[in-house]
Amino acid sequence: QSALTQPRSVSGSPGQSVTISCTGSSSDVGDYNYVSWYQQHPGKPPKLMIFDVSKRPSGVPDRFSGSKSGNTASLTISGLQADDEGDYHCCSYAGRYTVFGGGTKVTVL
Amino acid sequence: QVQLVESGGGVVQPGRSLRLSCAASQFTFSDYAMHWVRQAPGKGLEWVAIISFSGNQEYYADSVKGRFTISRDNSKNTLYLQMNSLRPDDTALYYCARAITTPDYWGQGTLVTVSS
Repeated sequence: QSALTQPRSVSGSPGQSVTISCTGSSSDVGDYNYVSWYQQHPGKPPKLMIFDVSKRPSGVPDRFSGSKSGNTASLTISGLQADDEGDYHCCSYAGRYTVFGGGTKVTVL
Repeated sequence: QVQLVESGGGVVQPGRSLRLSCAASQFTFSDYAMHWVRQAPGKGLEWVAIISFSGNQEYYADSVKGRFTISRDNSKNTLYLQMNSLRPDDTALYYCARAITTPDYWGQGTLVTVSS
């Protein structure tokens, strides 16, 4: 049950794109197409942005996209906006357990 | 809109017990598995446990196995987390979340502080 690995921080200017990686193992990310991404603003609960690797819930802008290759999933935010600033967490189903990454702080410069 | 409201948090001494509750509404509770996830102050999210929609299957993180028990009462639309032998490193905001495999909707959380 090792945590997924995410970069501590990424940054970009408004309008640019940023990509956050999430590296797991063949037991979690690599074995299931059940990776989710969450946005969290200070003092708020996480909000689902991507599920099942690349699906967007209703209401989430198409500027947010997800993908996966092998044991690594990625979240890309295109056309970065000020409100995108916050913490982003990846999560993978792994059969008898679920595992999160350590979180990535996105800063809009 | 899905609503999840946690309660039962507080300050507790090491070694003592606490039971958290999560009241669910605006969806068919008995159709969904449910998670507990925690977040220590200033830290990332840590998965704690999951229970199947019927309540007959439970899985736990290694860090809480043998100390915590997840349960549910579908007649009351309520999820529980019984926490025994609490340790200082269990201090966190505890969230309940609906499961679609991974969590989708989350509550606001209830704070548990383990301190002497």
